[in-house]
Amino acid sequence: DGGITQSPKYLFRKEGQNVTLSCEQNLNHDAMYWYRQDPGQGLRLIYYSQIVNDFQKGDIAEGYSVSREKKESFPLTVTSAQKNPTAFYLCASRAPGGNGYTFGSGTRLTVV
Amino acid sequence: AQSVTQLGSHVSVSEGALVLLRCNYSSSVPPYLFWYVQYPNQGLQLLLKYTSAATLVKGINGFEAEFKKSETSFHLTKPSAHMSDAAEYFCAVSDAGGTSYGKLTFGQGTILTVHP
Repeated sequence: DGGITQSPKYLFRKEGQNVTLSCEQNLNHDAMYWYRQDPGQGLRLIYYSQIVNDFQKGDIAEGYSVSREKKESFPLTVTSAQKNPTAFYLCASRAPGGNGYTFGSGTRLTVV
Repeated sequence: AQSVTQLGSHVSVSEGALVLLRCNYSSSVPPYLFWYVQYPNQGLQLLLKYTSAATLVKGINGFEAEFKKSETSFHLTKPSAHMSDAAEYFCAVSDAGGTSYGKLTFGQGTILTVHP
């Protein structure tokens, strides 16, 4: 079955380290998105990509970076510049036509 | 610009009672509207969506929502709550690939508790 795979499910990072979250989809979707979820704040957009080799900053991009070298993959790097990285991160993709979104199961990142 | 406001961060109902979760939106173009459910440490599952067809939208698990343009609302209802409905619910708006590039904008979420 088609879907989005996020890995790992749980991730621990020491302060000052960069860490990369994986997002892979086999839905043949062009558009992909990264969201951050914090309690009581809903989901906030970090980065999005409409097509391979192109991506744009979302509402809270500071301290994060992404790449889109392949259609299937949209990894997110949480850099040491991100002041408060502990959160739940969700990846999503959008079907052509605009109204079909698929979400991964998320990665919970904890800074220790 | 688009935005979503969910009224009430926590809603508590008894099993068998009506569930009503409120959502108001703002959008400069005709919106697509969504309700998602999330269980702890999981991704989002789509309950239903409005994409400019019928204003009363029926979704999974007995949920439905009505799009009211005059009130800019898209409230979620279910006639009779089950214990399994306890979760967090998110309302979201999208411009479906317009100037916002199909980005979903979410409300803050409503945690639904169901009492026996």
